[in-house]
Amino acid sequence: AQSVTQLGSHVSVSEGALVLLRCNYSSSVPPYLFWYVQYPNQGLQLLLKYTSAATLVKGINGFEAEFKKSETSFHLTKPSAHMSDAAEYFCAVSVLTGGGNKLTFGTGTQLKVEL
Amino acid sequence: ETGVTQTPRHLVMGMTNKKSLKCEQHLGHNAMYWYKQSAKKPLELMFVYSLEERVENNSVPSRFSPECPNSSHLFLHLHTLQPEDSALYLCASSQEAWGTDTQYFGPGTRLTVL
Repeated sequence: AQSVTQLGSHVSVSEGALVLLRCNYSSSVPPYLFWYVQYPNQGLQLLLKYTSAATLVKGINGFEAEFKKSETSFHLTKPSAHMSDAAEYFCAVSVLTGGGNKLTFGTGTQLKVEL
Repeated sequence: ETGVTQTPRHLVMGMTNKKSLKCEQHLGHNAMYWYKQSAKKPLELMFVYSLEERVENNSVPSRFSPECPNSSHLFLHLHTLQPEDSALYLCASSQEAWGTDTQYFGPGTRLTVL
């Protein structure tokens, strides 16, 4: 069965600093990987996804993630944090099963951006 | 309306009540999903529907009963819930249930069971 581990339930950065949110996955077959963001009182919004094409994936709002098979990682980065990036971020892995495209989520990382 | 909408946004109910959550997607998708989001726990997939047919029931208690009358609407009927069922219930849709199609989420219904 696939699983996702997000290291650090809370991450705090200064505005303008590098954002690094960590995600490690476990999957017995080639995975599809996703990052979602959730702003307060809203649903999840897709930031980016990896589907076995380029290992460096660029998403919305300046975020990107790199798939590293040897490290089973898919860390999310942004060169310069903005106050509007404060939200909860979820990494997810998808493996096709008889029951369809099942997303397995991590527990989330709350990002705080300080002045 | 655009995207995925959910009503109500907030719901408080007693353990003996019966209520329903509604989800509507305006994206022309064929697959719809119910997720449960509890504090400090990962999102849990509850049900998957493809073209109005249930294709996944993720060991969800029978006090949760889904209904998908057409590909645009999804309901979650609730009865005799427990306080531990209090959570944010998220609906999502995707073009197909199989594949790497992006799942688009609604804003959720915040459920409190007293």
